[in-house]
Amino acid sequence: GEDVEQSLFLSVREGDSSVINCTYTDSSSTYLYWYKQEPGAGLQLLTYIFSNMDMKQDQRLTVLLNKKDKHLSLRIADTQTGDSAIYFCAERGYNQGGKLIFGQGTELSVKP
Amino acid sequence: SQTIHQWPATLVQPVGSPLSLECTVEGTSNPNLYWYRQAAGRGLQLLFYSVGIGQISSEVPQNLSASRPQDRQFILSSKKLLLSDSGFYLCAWSVEGGYTFGSGTRLTVV
Repeated sequence: GEDVEQSLFLSVREGDSSVINCTYTDSSSTYLYWYKQEPGAGLQLLTYIFSNMDMKQDQRLTVLLNKKDKHLSLRIADTQTGDSAIYFCAERGYNQGGKLIFGQGTELSVKP
Repeated sequence: SQTIHQWPATLVQPVGSPLSLECTVEGTSNPNLYWYRQAAGRGLQLLFYSVGIGQISSEVPQNLSASRPQDRQFILSSKKLLLSDSGFYLCAWSVEGGYTFGSGTRLTVV
């Protein structure tokens, strides 16, 4: 079945780069997403990448996709305290209903 | 513009009471609709999805049910809540690969 895995915690210093990693099992994945969730809030779409791309950059965010290894990463440059949140990786495959399958989320803690 | 409304934002219900959470979308037609639950502030579990009016698919066996009486309305229900139904419930819709999530309902069953 479809599965998405992420490490649970990451701690970085303000100003450093953060790299959050994700692996998935569904080889038919069409889109892969990164969502951000701040405490008590809903999900905010940060960025997404189509499966035929290997990199996408959007301001401080860089997404890298290694389709062969089914590995996705999100790099946040110049990490700020406001970036502290839980980051979810999600994949959409050729499943009925276009379901998103989420990882467990990585809690990013940014220390001043 | 395309928006999604989910209410209430928070809810405290006693064990054994019924539940009805409502989600409506605006600015789109024939969206796919989803109910997710997030327990203990972590992973999101897909509960139900719907590709059209009256069409409901259940992902996991549970104490909850869903209905889609109108194209842009998705309702999550229970006849008798359990303690284990506590969590953060998120509604979402998608059209052509883009997904939008509601602001969520935090349900506490006491």
